[in-house]
Amino acid sequence: EDQVTQSPEALRLQEGESSSLNCSYTVSGLRGLFWYRQDPGKGPEFLFTLYSAGEEKEKERLKATLTKKESFLHITAPKPEDSATYLCAVQARNAGKSTFGDGTTLTVKP
Amino acid sequence: NAGVTQTPKFQVLKTGQSMTLQCAQDMNHNSMYWYRQDPGMGLRLIYYSASEGTTDKGEVPNGYNVSRLNKREFSLRLESAAPSQTSVYFCASSEMLGSDTQYFGPGTRLTVL
Repeated sequence: EDQVTQSPEALRLQEGESSSLNCSYTVSGLRGLFWYRQDPGKGPEFLFTLYSAGEEKEKERLKATLTKKESFLHITAPKPEDSATYLCAVQARNAGKSTFGDGTTLTVKP
Repeated sequence: NAGVTQTPKFQVLKTGQSMTLQCAQDMNHNSMYWYRQDPGMGLRLIYYSASEGTTDKGEVPNGYNVSRLNKREFSLRLESAAPSQTSVYFCASSEMLGSDTQYFGPGTRLTVL
C-alpha cells in the first residue's frame, strides 16, 4: 500500500526565514510525486510534479527536490502570502490514482 | 472558463437524510474524482471515473454512490447520511487518469447532525 508522511504538521516562520518541508513516501514503482498548495477554504492548487530521484523544480520562492525515499519543498525568503497548507501526493505506475499526505500548514509572520 | 464547479458550497443534514453533491468541469477532461478531507488530514479518494461511462471505488467508498452523468458532470450521492460523513468534499478532474495535474473545485462543506 502506498504511503505518504509529511512533516512537520505545522511550521511557523518569520518573513525571510528560509526552511524546508518534508514528504516521505513508500510506493511500489513511482510514476510521479506531486506538490499542491491549499489556501483556507479552497481546493488544492497544483504546484509541481517530480518523476525521478535527483530532479528539481522551481517556482518563485519554492523549490522541490526528490530522492528515492523523500521529497523536500524548500521555501526561500518566504513572504506572508506563502502561508498555506502544502500537500504532497504520490502516484504509482499503472495506478492512475494519487495517495495524499496529511499536509504541512505553513504560517509566515511579517 | 470556470474550471471545476461544485454545488452546494455548504450543507447541513440530519442523520439518515440523503443528498447529492454536484460537480461539473468545462475543461473537456476525461477523468473525474471525488475526495473527502477531514480536519488536519489529507485527501482520501472516494470514487473516480476514468472516462465517461466508467466509475470505480477509491479508498473510502462505503456509504457513497456516484454517477458520471456525461463527460462534464460527476455527482456524489449519500443515501443515508451519518455523522462520520461530516467532512469537506472536493471534486477534481484531469485530462486522463494518471495525468500529472488534477484541477480541484472549491469544495462542499457537509455537516451531518
